[in-house]
Order: sequence, then C-alpha cells, then structure tokens
Amino acid sequence: KQEVTQIPAALSVPEGENLVLNCSFTDSAIYNLQWFRQDPGKGLTSLLLIQSSQREQTSGRLNASLDKSSGRSTLYIAASQPGDSATYLCAVSPGTSGSRLTFGEGTQLTVNP
Amino acid sequence: GAGVSQSPSNKVTEKGKDVELRCDPISGHTALYWYRQSLGQGLEFLIYFQGNSAPDKSGLPSDRFSAERTGGSVSTLTIQRTQQEDSAVYLCASSRTSGGTGELFFGEGSRLTVL
Repeated sequence: KQEVTQIPAALSVPEGENLVLNCSFTDSAIYNLQWFRQDPGKGLTSLLLIQSSQREQTSGRLNASLDKSSGRSTLYIAASQPGDSATYLCAVSPGTSGSRLTFGEGTQLTVNP
Repeated sequence: GAGVSQSPSNKVTEKGKDVELRCDPISGHTALYWYRQSLGQGLEFLIYFQGNSAPDKSGLPSDRFSAERTGGSVSTLTIQRTQQEDSAVYLCASSRTSGGTGELFFGEGSRLTVL
C-alpha cells in the first residue's frame, strides 16, 4: 500500500526566504506526482505535475523535483511571499496508467511579512 | 463551465437524513474522483470513475455511501442515514487521462455538517 509522508507538518518563515517542502512515498512504481496548494476553506489548486519519466518541473517561483528511485520529491519556493501562505499537499498516482491519487497530510506554510 | 463545479457548497442536515452531493467535471475529462477531507485531516479517497469502466469503490467507508456517474459526466455522491462522523468537506476532481497527463483539477468542495 502506497504511503505518502510530508515533512515538516508546519513551517513558518519570514518573507523573502527560500524554502523547501519535502514529500516521500513508499512505492516507487508511480505514474506521476502532483503538488497542490489548499487555502483555508477552499478546494485544491494544482501547482505542478511531474511525470514518472521527468526529474523536475518549474512554474514561476516554484520548482518541484522527483527522485523516483529514492521515493522523494521536493517543492522549492523561491523568495517567499505572504500570499504563499497555505497548505501544500503532494500526491502520487500509482501504476503505469494512473488512477486514484494517494495524498500526504500536507505542510502548512506561513510566510510572515 | 471552465472548472469542476460542486453543489451544494454547504449542507447542514440532521442525523439520519439522506444527502446528495453533485459534481460537474470539466468537459471532456474522462476520470472523476471523490475525496473526503475531515477537519484538520488529509484527503481520504472515496471512489474513482474512469470512462465506461467499473468504478473503483474501494474507498467508500460503508454501504451508506454510494455514487453514480450518468452519461460519463455529472456524478452524484449519496450518503444515506447520515451520521455525525460523516461531517466533512467532500471534494470532487476530474482529469483527462486519455491523451493527457493525468493532472487533477478539484472543485471547491461541498461542506457537509451533520447535526
């Protein structure tokens, strides 16, 4: 059974700092890995998706990497802003064709002005 | 619409009543998922529809829960004889798995409160 773990559970940083969020998964046979953002009381917003054959994806100040063999992904946020405050979740889709995602518990990020 | 649409956004019901939650996925998306998020918890998988294949119901917590997807589009999640532990946000997502990347797009959720 796939298990996804995110560390740390919560993180508070001053504005402008670069930061790294970690995600690990137990079964390396994944189809893709996706990072989401969730604001309080809202649904999930897709940030980045990395296919199993890829090593990283970038969007603006965000960069996500994937090391399938070690079962790890990191989300790097450059020059953090108060608007980045949210819960960040990673999720993996198993197998060769993709199906239901298994989610981590999330990292709650607070960026202080 | 452009995104995944869910209704109602909020539902308050009494214990023992039945509720129906609706999800309208992005047009052309063949895969549809239901997840549940209890207060302060992660996402719990409920059910997955892919095209005309038999749905993956392995996440449904009890036989009080059922879901259907009519015409390969709109889906309804039904909870019978609601219990207080059913209180949660029910999230629907869709993806275009055929020819796509499998990226999931979520709706805003339906917040269910069982009194």
